[in-house]
Amino acid sequence: NAGVTQTPKFQVLKTGQSMTLQCAQDMNHNSMYWYRQDPGMGLRLIYYSASEGTTDKGEVPNGYNVSRLNKREFSLRLESAAPSQTSVYFCASKGSWGEGEAFFGQGTRLTVV
Amino acid sequence: DAKTTQPNSMESNEEEPVHLPCNHSTISGTDYIHWYRQLPSQGPEYVIHGLTSNVNNRMASLAIAEDRKSSTLILHRATLRDAAVYYCILPTSGTYKYIFGTGTRLKVLA
Repeated sequence: NAGVTQTPKFQVLKTGQSMTLQCAQDMNHNSMYWYRQDPGMGLRLIYYSASEGTTDKGEVPNGYNVSRLNKREFSLRLESAAPSQTSVYFCASKGSWGEGEAFFGQGTRLTVV
Repeated sequence: DAKTTQPNSMESNEEEPVHLPCNHSTISGTDYIHWYRQLPSQGPEYVIHGLTSNVNNRMASLAIAEDRKSSTLILHRATLRDAAVYYCILPTSGTYKYIFGTGTRLKVLA
């Protein structure tokens, strides 16, 4: 009963380093999402994928790239990390559009020093 | 895109009902209204959703105004475990964007 699994749970990067956050879901959902949440703030949409093979920008896409590897997996890449990208990152997946609920992973806490 | 407006914070006493409002005056006829909550240090979790009629589930009730320009999430008896940030979301018509606003931080007083 895994749902949405994110790896890693914690990461510290130096400015300029790159890394990929992984997300996988086992619910056969079409849509997947990446959000970031800064301390005391709401969630902001970075990128989303409506279906396998498609990706679109959200509210704050600058500095990030994504890959929808297959229906299960949606990765988020930081090519050159900056301290402003210090945040908690959440991945989510969703089934049917209008009615389906979204399921969230437990988050990746990223610190860029 | 349909936008939502929620109060930044609300307080409630334990075991009393809580009414959390959301304004969405630009909602279109096919937009569902979704509610999520985020407990401290956790990812958001689904609470309830509706289209036109009021909805009930084991967690809460959703009251939707007749003109659909506002809705209210009702927690019938608040407990300390209900202290969280509550988000009202309208999936963007014509796209698959799923945008959270700033939400309402609910504080439950013992």
